[in-house]
Amino acid sequence: GENVEQHPSTLSVQEGDSAVIKCTYSDSASNYFPWYKQELGKRPQLIIDIRSNVGEKKDQRIAVTLNKTAKHFSLHITETQPEDSAVYFCASGYALNFGKGTSLLVTP
Amino acid sequence: EAGVAQSPRYKIIEKRQSVAFWCNPISGHATLYWYQQILGQGPKLLIQFQNNGVVDDSQLPKDRFSAERLKGVDSTLKIQPAKLEDSAVYLCASSLGTGGVYEQYFGPGTRLTVT
Repeated sequence: GENVEQHPSTLSVQEGDSAVIKCTYSDSASNYFPWYKQELGKRPQLIIDIRSNVGEKKDQRIAVTLNKTAKHFSLHITETQPEDSAVYFCASGYALNFGKGTSLLVTP
Repeated sequence: EAGVAQSPRYKIIEKRQSVAFWCNPISGHATLYWYQQILGQGPKLLIQFQNNGVVDDSQLPKDRFSAERLKGVDSTLKIQPAKLEDSAVYLCASSLGTGGVYEQYFGPGTRLTVT
């Protein structure tokens, strides 16, 4: 089945800096790559997604890039704020396979 | 639009006991998913339904876990008998369709503790 690797597992940045989280996947047939944000004790919430016919997608401070040849995709958060602190999960595959998550801490 | 509903929110049982979780998806969503999320890990798909048929249950431990989706709406997930390693949050999600390109909406989850 699909294998999704996510790095780093933890990330600490200063408020205002950028944060980048990277994922690789194994199934070349995968065509949908969502990113979820999960705050402590809460449900995962979709923050952005990208489909395989697009190389980049942006939504305000959040962007996702996809390299199908290399089978990796990345989440970019610019101008980070303390409320961005959470665990972020990437996923891919016909039935979503999730990465292990990145715990992002944004310090004021 | 009402979200995905799950109950109970918390459950504590002893090992070897049985437990059942209930999920009501968003109205009109044909696809329903059950995930297991162990602390510190990403959600792991247990089973996927399209209407009331099973699409994928390859990661469901069928010796102890079972799930059904009667009439293509609500779903129940059962564990019998429970083991300590079943302690996790069980998330239900739904989407309009299947094929991996439809946004999945998650319920609040049921936190299961097996002692």
